[in-house]
Amino acid sequence: AQSVSQHNHHVILSEAASLELGCNYSYGGTVNLFWYVQYPGQHLQLLLKYFSGDPLVKGIKGFEAEFIKSKFSFNLRKPSVQWSDTAEYFCAVNARGTGGFKTIFGAGTRLFVKA
Amino acid sequence: DVKVTQSSRYLVKRTGEKVFLECVQDMDHENMFWYRQDPGLGLRLIYFSYDVKMKEKGDIPEGYSVSREKKERFSLILESASTNQTSMYLCASSLDRGTSTKNIQYFGAGTRLSVL
Repeated sequence: AQSVSQHNHHVILSEAASLELGCNYSYGGTVNLFWYVQYPGQHLQLLLKYFSGDPLVKGIKGFEAEFIKSKFSFNLRKPSVQWSDTAEYFCAVNARGTGGFKTIFGAGTRLFVKA
Repeated sequence: DVKVTQSSRYLVKRTGEKVFLECVQDMDHENMFWYRQDPGLGLRLIYFSYDVKMKEKGDIPEGYSVSREKKERFSLILESASTNQTSMYLCASSLDRGTSTKNIQYFGAGTRLSVL
């Protein structure tokens, strides 16, 4: 069965620290990959996406993610986090299954950035 | 901008009550989804619909049903609420399920349901 694993459930960083959130998926075919973010009290919203082409994709607020096909990974990075990045981050994979395309979400990573 | 509106932000219901959660999207999207979000479990798909009057079970459909009589509206129904259905419920919509930009999902603000 398809699955998405996020390695860290909780991450605490100080401002200006670098961030890397891991995401691995299990699916051998063509995938679309997403990171969604949920700021406190706000809707879940798209942070960035990968469909094809350059495996390094850039999203809003200085975030980027790299698709490494051989490792089935799509890790999220930011060189210098800010207090306002405190949020929950979800990795998601859209792939073809037995019932058509389906999006599967990881368990989420709660990031807390200390001012 | 796509807008997905959930009728209630907070609901408190009693065990055994019938509960309706409503969701409306304003962008003529084909697909609509209901998830529940629980700490440490992420988003789990309850039901989805890819067309009016069509519905498909997700990963955790037990205890839930859905209705989609109009394209813009997708309702989640708890026939007899139980305490283990206390959760955050998220509605989402997307234009298409295929491998394109159309399968980006847009989410509502969520309904936090407490069943006592």
